[in-house]
Amino acid sequence: ETGVTQSPTHLIKTRGQQVTLRCSSQSGHNTVSWYQQALGQGPQFIFQYYREEENGRGNFPPRFSGLQFPNYSSELNVNALELDDSALYLCASSLRGGSNTGELFFGEGSRLTVL
Amino acid sequence: QKEVEQDPGPLSVPEGAIVSLNCTYSNSAFQYFMWYRQYSRKGPELLMYTYSSGNKEDGRFTAQVDKSSKYISLFIRDSQPSDSATYLCAMSSSYSGAGSYQLTFGKGTKLSVIP
Repeated sequence: ETGVTQSPTHLIKTRGQQVTLRCSSQSGHNTVSWYQQALGQGPQFIFQYYREEENGRGNFPPRFSGLQFPNYSSELNVNALELDDSALYLCASSLRGGSNTGELFFGEGSRLTVL
Repeated sequence: QKEVEQDPGPLSVPEGAIVSLNCTYSNSAFQYFMWYRQYSRKGPELLMYTYSSGNKEDGRFTAQVDKSSKYISLFIRDSQPSDSATYLCAMSSSYSGAGSYQLTFGKGTKLSVIP
């Protein structure tokens, strides 16, 4: 059973640029969530996708957008990057449905630095 | 006032000590309470999950939830150097189906267990 994998692990962008981060869900998981973790802070919920549709969104502007593909992999896109977007971006997959607890399985994250 | 408050520490204890980690929260709608452990440069991993008030024990770990006081705790008995990590409390108010948690995290407490 493969875990959640994210790419790239590190990247550096400049203000105003756009970035795409990728996530492969754990095998069998149909729900993916994205979180932003600034240095010294807890993760903050960005949005969640289920069946290729957004299923809840946190307090993030529209320049944060996402996609979920039929194979349950996902992308997070951020346009018009700002310095405050510098953070660790975490993808978490889970299985919706059945009797499981809905545990989120996190990847190791993509660390974005905006200069 | 933040929805979830957690003392960031750092907390340093000798091996074998009992560790107490705590969070307070303001949103009375929270019903699902979790503790995650995050090692350096890794994603969070679920340690304990509790629904509503009460205690739950798993090996050396005990989670307590007191909804009347809006206070949750994690106790670690016989702490080991391998327990050195950041501990994040997380909670959710909604559960529209397994895998649908949209978590609100605390800042995390950095714990060091000294041999």
